Amino acid sequence: GESVGLHLPTLSVQEGDNSIINCAYSNSASDYFIWYKQESGKGPQFIIDIRSNMDKRQGQRVTVLLNKTVKHLSLQIAATQPGDSAVYFCAENSGGFQKLVFGTGTRLLVSP
Amino acid sequence: NAGVTQTPKFQVLKTGQSMTLQCAQDMNHEYMSWYRQDPGMGLRLIHYSVGAGITDQGEVPNGYNVSRSTTEDFPLRLLSAAPSQTSVYFCASSYESRGTEQYFGPGTRLTVT
Repeated sequence: GESVGLHLPTLSVQEGDNSIINCAYSNSASDYFIWYKQESGKGPQFIIDIRSNMDKRQGQRVTVLLNKTVKHLSLQIAATQPGDSAVYFCAENSGGFQKLVFGTGTRLLVSP
Repeated sequence: NAGVTQTPKFQVLKTGQSMTLQCAQDMNHEYMSWYRQDPGMGLRLIHYSVGAGITDQGEVPNGYNVSRSTTEDFPLRLLSAAPSQTSVYFCASSYESRGTEQYFGPGTRLTVT
């Protein structure tokens, strides 16, 4: 089952390449940001998060960069694998209970 | 732990019918929420709950009701289904009210004809 529509921006990479997925957020008051991965027919899966008092955070093979000056967030995936193929969403939390505002997503296609 | 579970996985309704989408979590999370996901759009918050007996509206609450009688369960009711409610619905839960990871269920794909 397809989880999102057909008009998502798409990033195509070769296996082993590094991938960079970008996201512009809207609210300068947002203080918490999350990246989610969504495979076809499944719910979003947490990848990594970052708070606004940081500009970089690293996980296993992933790094999130936050530039508050230009309201920009990026997700870097090192040594991309075919299993990384999915739709990636950024989300910002600008206040209140988990009022996450999700971006529209980027589809990552990894070729062997 | 099963995490967040949702039933049914697929559902087809006729306009005007009502139904309840079930959501349950076994992580003892106080905070639960419902989202809908439409093509070309990110997830949008429908309703949320900060604990048993407490619910509130999200971004797109019209046409939906919720209740939270237990910590584990958070059903979403469609009162009179409309084609505009055709979507994929996700339930999520989290340990804290904000600033922490939300765990999502597998989703319910609803079609209203």
